[in-house]
Amino acid sequence: EVQLVESGGGLVQPGGSLRLSCAASGFTFNTYWMSWVRQAPGKGLEWVANIKEDGSENYYVDSVRGRFTISRDNARNSLSLQMDSLRAEDTAVYYCARDFGWSHDSWGQGTLVTV
Amino acid sequence: EIVLTQSPATLSLSPGERVTLSCRASQSVSSYLAWYQQKPGQAPRLLIYDASNRATGIPARFSGSGSGTDFTLTIGSLEPEDFAVYYCQQRSNWPPTFGQGTKVEIK
Repeated sequence: EVQLVESGGGLVQPGGSLRLSCAASGFTFNTYWMSWVRQAPGKGLEWVANIKEDGSENYYVDSVRGRFTISRDNARNSLSLQMDSLRAEDTAVYYCARDFGWSHDSWGQGTLVTV
Repeated sequence: EIVLTQSPATLSLSPGERVTLSCRASQSVSSYLAWYQQKPGQAPRLLIYDASNRATGIPARFSGSGSGTDFTLTIGSLEPEDFAVYYCQQRSNWPPTFGQGTKVEIK
């Protein structure tokens, strides 16, 4: 069974930093692109970033480029999102999601970041 | 950036009714469109990928159609567990974008 478990969310002051983690299990982690998707309270979904299977490529939505860094550790089946210079508008539930072609077929339960 | 517009914003329906949700793209996304279901307090769940393919474990009452700029998600007969918010998503063009969602609520 595919499992994605996020951790690391919490309350942080504007301008601060936070590092989110996602522990993956139940599938061959190093054969999938992975993404972070966020959802502000009461709002819709917003794709944030993704990273290639081997970590050699990554992409970001404009609003976080230069402030957030996505990375992965395939030896530990782990995905991370380093978030710096946080703003109030970054407040959201952050989901780790497995990329499946042009969609996301598995999602974690999410972790709440409050700025 | 491709804008996805979902309509209607809210649907009030009864169990057993047939549901048709719309997602319109501001430019062609070919067939690179997915549909998700999200219930309160839960993560989204993939229903349909590549416009018309049901994801693993999704009941046959869910179907997707369309290509280019106009897409439809149909629920053949609403079950009590289908009351939720539905989102479409395109990954044809960067950045990937989601529609604003359609809420299907109990009448």
